[in-house]
Amino acid sequence: DTAVSQTPKYLVTQMGNDKSIKCEQNLGHDTMYWYKQDSKKFLKIMFSYNNKELIINETVPNRFSPKSPDKAHLNLHINSLELGDSAVYFCASSPSTQWNSKYGYTFGSGTRLTVV
Amino acid sequence: QKEVEQNSGPLSVPEGAIASLNCTYSDRVSQSFFWYRQYSGKSPELIMSIYSNGDKEDGRFTAQLNKASQYVSLLIRDSQPSDSATYLCAVRVGGGADGLTFGKGTHLIIQP
Repeated sequence: DTAVSQTPKYLVTQMGNDKSIKCEQNLGHDTMYWYKQDSKKFLKIMFSYNNKELIINETVPNRFSPKSPDKAHLNLHINSLELGDSAVYFCASSPSTQWNSKYGYTFGSGTRLTVV
Repeated sequence: QKEVEQNSGPLSVPEGAIASLNCTYSDRVSQSFFWYRQYSGKSPELIMSIYSNGDKEDGRFTAQLNKASQYVSLLIRDSQPSDSATYLCAVRVGGGADGLTFGKGTHLIIQP
């Protein structure tokens, strides 16, 4: 069984459309994240949820809205897609957000979003 | 502002040699340090973590941490062509529920 699964793997859509990416983890982790990896391979955090509650919301446009129905799921909805939104979006999870946490993240396989 | 710096490379190393990857970070309160490997078109995979000054070994991999110099490195012994990938350094800062801050990665090429 895949530990962190994302769907879809590829998403091609036109500017102005609204789309969603889904993420599920079966690791029993408390915290889930969305990261964006741009064309230069730079991974930047977008959102972090701990037990369904938002704890990090970096400076992303409010067109991006995360939703966590339960601690195993974290979805990302994007409104009014723009060309600059094209990137690979990774979901990740970790057991803890404690400041002295020694846990790394487990990443999903990524969703390659292309806006045309 | 938290920053994690890596040389983007490419770093070319002959097969069987030691590959040395370096990373510096700006925030002195950083607590935990991680190395991820990312193959082209794949997701990052955690290969090493280190929290205390000194060396930590796991198979062919050794992570080295020097908090005074704000420096963390990854050594890969007996490099194999399958080690060719981008290596991402990541840092967790203490004091809050922060996520990991990643460097831009070093592209490593192991030449057969």
